[in-house]
Amino acid sequence: QVTLRESGPALVKPTQTLTLTCTFSGFSLSTSGMCVSWIRQPPGKALEWLALIDWDDDKYYSTSLKTRLTISKDTSKNQVVLTMTNMDPVDTATYYCARIQPSGWFDPWGQGTLVTVSS
Amino acid sequence: EIVLTQSPATLSLSPGERATLSCRASQSVSSYLAWYQQKPGQAPRLLIYDASNRATGIPARFSGSGSGTDFTLTISSLEPEDFAVYYCQQRSNWPGTFGPGTKVDIK
Repeated sequence: QVTLRESGPALVKPTQTLTLTCTFSGFSLSTSGMCVSWIRQPPGKALEWLALIDWDDDKYYSTSLKTRLTISKDTSKNQVVLTMTNMDPVDTATYYCARIQPSGWFDPWGQGTLVTVSS
Repeated sequence: EIVLTQSPATLSLSPGERATLSCRASQSVSSYLAWYQQKPGQAPRLLIYDASNRATGIPARFSGSGSGTDFTLTISSLEPEDFAVYYCQQRSNWPGTFGPGTKVDIK
């Protein structure tokens, strides 16, 4: 069974750097074709794709957030880490990680973690 | 960037009724379109991928159709657990983008 779980701070201050960890089980990110992605959702709003890392350590970022995001993986720990710099209240959202199926789609998703940006 | 538009924004129906949701892409995405269901307080769940394929464990009352720029998600007979928000997503052109969602609520 594939599961993912996000962890990180619930509250960050403006200008701080956010670090989120996705811990997964049921698959290995060293297996060819495997990818993990981060997606966020502001309260009451739609989903926004943020970043992706694949088994070969290739990384892809949202065009609009590229300068603020870094994604990395620790295959031995089954973890993917996302950092986002210079946090702003508009970054308040639930942050999800998801595996990307061999078919190319997000499945399954973690439960999400709500991050509030406030002083 | 490919923009997805979903209509209607809200669909008010009764259990047992048929639901038809639309997703339109700003340019062709071929069949690289998926539908996700999201219930309050939960993560999205993959329902349909590649426009018309049901994901594992998804009931047969959910079906998807379309290609190019126009897509439809149909729920043949609404069950109480189907009242939720539905998002379409394309992966024809990275970054994959999501539509704004259609809320299916109880009439």
